[in-house]
Amino acid sequence: DQQVKQNSPSLSVQEGRISILNCDYTNSMFDYFLWYKKYPAEGPTFLISISSIKDKNEDGRFTVFLNKSAKHLSLHIVPSQPGDSAVYFCAASGDTGGFKTIFGAGTRLFVKA
Amino acid sequence: GAGVSQSPSNKVTEKGKDVELRCDPISGHTALYWYRQSLGQGLEFLIYFQGNSAPDKSGLPSDRFSAERTGGSVSTLTIQRTQQEDSAVYLCASSPSPGHLSTDTQYFGPGTRLTVL
Repeated sequence: DQQVKQNSPSLSVQEGRISILNCDYTNSMFDYFLWYKKYPAEGPTFLISISSIKDKNEDGRFTVFLNKSAKHLSLHIVPSQPGDSAVYFCAASGDTGGFKTIFGAGTRLFVKA
Repeated sequence: GAGVSQSPSNKVTEKGKDVELRCDPISGHTALYWYRQSLGQGLEFLIYFQGNSAPDKSGLPSDRFSAERTGGSVSTLTIQRTQQEDSAVYLCASSPSPGHLSTDTQYFGPGTRLTVL
């Protein structure tokens, strides 16, 4: 039972354009959502997060949008840069019986120069 | 150290052997997670330690897998009688204090790449 789903395994975007990575979740007890970025041969690193009391959080080129009614969140990167090419993991946590964070399967982003 | 460290960085073993993977979390972090990432797959949750509470072992794929966390700090993941399907990158992460929204961020180590021949 996948509680956090990233249905697009990969995404290719031209440099300078917007990248939109999507994530859906099923557990209504999740109240904190995070995006991690992973380069090959490295561990994931935290990118941006959002609490369920908000619907948008922005940090530089990165913005996360949360639609609680649809149980959907998205990460927007604008403008996209070649250095953004990585795997992006969506994650969710909450009082689901231990505050365990659940990760999605990841979306590999390719930003073409 | 400043971050989460894991050892060894690479481990090659023969099918049927036991292996131990080590994780040193960030000092003071109460939560520790183990994940694995098989080739082309996402992060698969294995086990979660939080303070002195009983660990959440719900992600361990079989009874060949076990983990312990001594003194609330260092953790060891043990895989007995390794199989080829155990080949993956095993990632450890720690976080300051789960349950408090702003501190749910996990800090990952570089991982241990396990290859079972």
